[in-house]
Amino acid sequence: GAVVSQHPSWVICKSGTSVKIECRSLDFQATTMFWYRQFPKQSLMLMATSNEGSKATYEQGVEKDKFLINHASLTLSTLTVTSAHPEDSSFYICSASGERSSYEQYFGPGTRLTVT
Amino acid sequence: KNQVEQSPQSLIILEGKNCTLQCNYTVSPFSNLRWYKQDTGRGPVSLTIMTFSENTKSNGRYTATLDADTKQSSLHITASQLSDSASYICVARGAGNMLTFGGGTRLMVKP
Repeated sequence: GAVVSQHPSWVICKSGTSVKIECRSLDFQATTMFWYRQFPKQSLMLMATSNEGSKATYEQGVEKDKFLINHASLTLSTLTVTSAHPEDSSFYICSASGERSSYEQYFGPGTRLTVT
Repeated sequence: KNQVEQSPQSLIILEGKNCTLQCNYTVSPFSNLRWYKQDTGRGPVSLTIMTFSENTKSNGRYTATLDADTKQSSLHITASQLSDSASYICVARGAGNMLTFGGGTRLMVKP
């Protein structure tokens, strides 16, 4: 099956610093990757959609200058949280889809971000 | 507006008992519906996927049903185990590869 990994699985950073989260599709080419955010006891909320080689499309209310998304290759997308604040603390989950996955989204294991 | 609503929001059952989770969706056009299990601190893992032409799909102790006419789905868990404690999320796929997520049902199985 389609496998998606994320790194790191958890990260703690100080307020004002930036942190990068990687999302990789391990066994298929992901033409599209999605980034979600999930707060405690809530469902996943789509932040942005990125197609390989193109600029990401952000959902309403998501600051594109704060959440930088790069999808430079068919197997890697990165989310950089810039100038992180405690309210950015959340669980970030990526998903990937491509022809091999029949364009179904396969989810990564998530990254827990804590901003102190 | 596409929507997926799940009930109950949370559920506590005793180990060994059965339970059924409900999902109502209004997604158009409709492509398929998945049930996911999400353990705390982990990403969602797909349990079942059904298209509009499928009524029932089983995966071990998990059985999902779909009624495309009433736009309802259910997930039945048989002989629950402690490891079934998790959030169960109903997700409908619409046009393209965009997903609409339900709010999830948090299931706790107690010994």
